[in-house]
Amino acid sequence: DQQVKQNSPSLSVQEGRISILNCDYTNSMFDYFLWYKKYPAEGPTFLISISSIKDKNEDGRFTVFLNKSAKHLSLHIVPSQPGDSAVYFCAASDQRGKLIFGQGTELSVKP
Amino acid sequence: DTAVSQTPKYLVTQMGNDKSIKCEQNLGHDTMYWYKQDSKKFLKIMFSYNNKELIINETVPNRFSPKSPDKAHLNLHINSLELGDSAVYFCASSQVRLGTPYEQYFGPGTRLTVT
Repeated sequence: DQQVKQNSPSLSVQEGRISILNCDYTNSMFDYFLWYKKYPAEGPTFLISISSIKDKNEDGRFTVFLNKSAKHLSLHIVPSQPGDSAVYFCAASDQRGKLIFGQGTELSVKP
Repeated sequence: DTAVSQTPKYLVTQMGNDKSIKCEQNLGHDTMYWYKQDSKKFLKIMFSYNNKELIINETVPNRFSPKSPDKAHLNLHINSLELGDSAVYFCASSQVRLGTPYEQYFGPGTRLTVT
């Protein structure tokens, strides 16, 4: 039973445009949501997080939106750059700090 | 000055063997984790240690035994390896602070292939 789902395995975007990556979850007790970025043959690296009491968090080109009623979050990257091409994992954190990951979305940003 | 390091990066072995993967972090974090990424790319937590104490153990076969000699190290020993153990194993660490999202820092991964 997958508690965190990323339904799009891949996304292709033109350089300079907006990339929108989506994530759905089922457990309303999650208190934080995080996005990680992963390049091939490397470990995931932390990108941005959002508390369950907020609906938006912004860090430079990256913005995460949280819709608690819909149990949905999204990561917006604008403008997208070729170096953003990677696999993006959504994760939810419970009170013990346990992270539950989605299956990832592979973003390809074309020049 | 790698923050979270794992050795070896690649490990090829036969069924039935026993192997270990080592992990070290130099971030001064108090919590360390082991994750398994299977062929379907799901990242799933296996174990978590806080100050050398086991705090999360996710229904992992007891052939897997984590060992934390100190806060900076968390090793994973696997007995009687099976084909289904083939995966990429990631070590991670974090500093537990109440009211924060427990950002975890990951190692580069160890690709284990069991033949």
